[in-house]
Amino acid sequence: SQQGEEDPQALSIQEGENATMNCSYKTSINNLQWYRQNSGRGLVHLILIRSNEREKHSGRLRVTLDTSKKSSSLLITASRAADTASYFCATDLGERDDKIIFGKGTRLHILP
Amino acid sequence: DAGITQSPRHKVTETGTPVTLRCHQTENHRYMYWYRQDPGHGLRLIHYSYGVKDTDKGEVSDGYSVSRSKTEDFLLTLESATSSQTSVYFCAISGSSGEETQYFGPGTRLLVL
Repeated sequence: SQQGEEDPQALSIQEGENATMNCSYKTSINNLQWYRQNSGRGLVHLILIRSNEREKHSGRLRVTLDTSKKSSSLLITASRAADTASYFCATDLGERDDKIIFGKGTRLHILP
Repeated sequence: DAGITQSPRHKVTETGTPVTLRCHQTENHRYMYWYRQDPGHGLRLIHYSYGVKDTDKGEVSDGYSVSRSKTEDFLLTLESATSSQTSVYFCAISGSSGEETQYFGPGTRLLVL
């Protein structure tokens, strides 16, 4: 069952530009997380935002959460070639649970 | 990937043979997970463990079994491999709760011929 869904599926931008990707989900959540995956590697955790938070920053990353719209966005500012990767959102299912559900990801390509 | 290793990293096997993948952690985390990643499907949970000898099924558990006899090791077994189980398998760990941050291993590429 797909809880989170990223949009767009793929994104190409010029180096230095900002990249925005979105995640929509279906049920109420406790937390929403964003992960990055470089080609051929495991996922790396980027940021976790709780349901009572609206915005969170980490370096060049900015995550927003709108629980009324059941959506989140990840903004990467001043993109670099090293940001080329797939980005996944992951959510729990609201009730106390021991697992999270991943979306299918957004493939981001930074053009030189 | 620090603190989490997966073995083997690559494996080619034939349909009908048993296959065991190992995940080993040095972080003493309570929760361990096995996912598979396929094009068009993202990451899907196979099984997970919330303690030694405590396991539960995920979204795509058919054809897979798991065991956890020690905190540090979580084994995934394909009893009789099928071509549909060709995939990249990732192990992940989490300390406080499965809803919190998960840390991933480097993955195992499995090809079933």
